Amino acid sequence: DIQLTQSPSSLSASVGDRVTITCRASQSISTYLSWYQQKPGKAPKLLIFAASKLQSGVPSRFSGSGAGTDFTLTISSLQPEDFATYYCLQSFTSLVLSFGGGTKVEI
Amino acid sequence: QVQLQESGPGLVKPSRTLSLTCTVSGGSVRSGADYWSWIRQSPGKGLEWIGFIFHSGSPYYTPSLKSRLVISVDTSNNQLSLRLNSVTAADTAIYYCARMKREGGNYYFDVWGQGILVTVSS
Repeated sequence: DIQLTQSPSSLSASVGDRVTITCRASQSISTYLSWYQQKPGKAPKLLIFAASKLQSGVPSRFSGSGAGTDFTLTISSLQPEDFATYYCLQSFTSLVLSFGGGTKVEI
Repeated sequence: QVQLQESGPGLVKPSRTLSLTCTVSGGSVRSGADYWSWIRQSPGKGLEWIGFIFHSGSPYYTPSLKSRLVISVDTSNNQLSLRLNSVTAADTAIYYCARMKREGGNYYFDVWGQGILVTVSS
């Protein structure tokens, strides 16, 4: 099975900061990666798919990059509504999907 | 737009079967462009993909649950269902249904239900 390791597991940041979250795969997954934002008590929300494609309606301050084993989610200027937990998901093995452990972004 | 709503019992006794339904509105489970999936999240923990199904195909399950799990679609009622048998406390979680899209080899979840908390306890 493909394992996804996110780092850091949590981070503290301030409004306006540039924030970068990393997702590392245990083997190459091409660009078969998506990113999700989850706020407390809410369902996750799709931000990025295919490693770098911005989902419709998602603010452009969110961006994704990477291929192979190393991926990043960047928030260019952190806003108050961005404090949440972020997860990556791989679909390289399309019959067995897996999530990363999550990164909590807090003040 | 497509909306998903999970329903079912919030409390299940150990060793019994957990049964959930996801009602799809604003779209059809027979859509040739969509897959339908279940994901769960144990309290305070991360997300775990459970399985997915295409309306005309076989379901696919995460290996750790495969022996206890059945996912199916009911096209007449436009619903997705999940049955997990022989449950234990470890199956206590929020269960989400989600629409899964495919773009080439990329699969991703673009619409989620609000989730339903299921507690396994006697």
